[in-house]
Amino acid sequence: ETGVTQSPTHLIKTRGQQVTLRCSSQSGHNTVSWYQQALGQGPQFIFQYYREEENGRGNFPPRFSGLQFPNYSSELNVNALELDDSALYLCASSGGLHNEQFFGPGTRLTVL
Amino acid sequence: AQSVTQLDSQVPVFEEAPVELRCNYSSSVSVYLFWYVQYPNQGLQLLLKYLSGSTLVESINGFEAEFNKSQTSFHLRKPSVHISDTAEYFCAVSEADGNTPLVFGKGTRLSVIA
Repeated sequence: ETGVTQSPTHLIKTRGQQVTLRCSSQSGHNTVSWYQQALGQGPQFIFQYYREEENGRGNFPPRFSGLQFPNYSSELNVNALELDDSALYLCASSGGLHNEQFFGPGTRLTVL
Repeated sequence: AQSVTQLDSQVPVFEEAPVELRCNYSSSVSVYLFWYVQYPNQGLQLLLKYLSGSTLVESINGFEAEFNKSQTSFHLRKPSVHISDTAEYFCAVSEADGNTPLVFGKGTRLSVIA
């Protein structure tokens, strides 16, 4: 059984650019959640996808968007990058009864 | 909506000493509670969870946490810490109804001193 994987590991972009982050969920999980962890903070919920539909969204602007594919992998897209978007982006998959979420290693995004 | 307060941002402790990391939560509905650990430059690993039943839950590496509904707390304890326990610890809460998002505290950095 493979765990949650994310790519890329690190990414450097400039203000105004667009970025796509990818996540492969754990085998058997149909739900993917994305979190943003700014330096020195706890993770903040961005949105969740369940069976290819958005199933909840946190307090993030529309320039944060996502997709989930039939194999339950997922993408997070961020348009018009701002300096404050610099953070560790974590993906978590779940599929059990009790919402146990398994996290990937994260993608560290730096916006210059 | 839920919220989590981790009362200590940093906790230094000597090796083999006991430690308690405090967590309080706020919610108007039943909740699940979690502790996650994050080592430098890594993602989050689930340490332990409270879903229902016994209010005392334990991890395989000696940590335990007790759910106290009246005090809305879920403090994490270990009777004797090791250098390898140095990490960031996050308390999290979710609604007890399935796939709702986790709400995290700001984290507590545990530093174990030799």
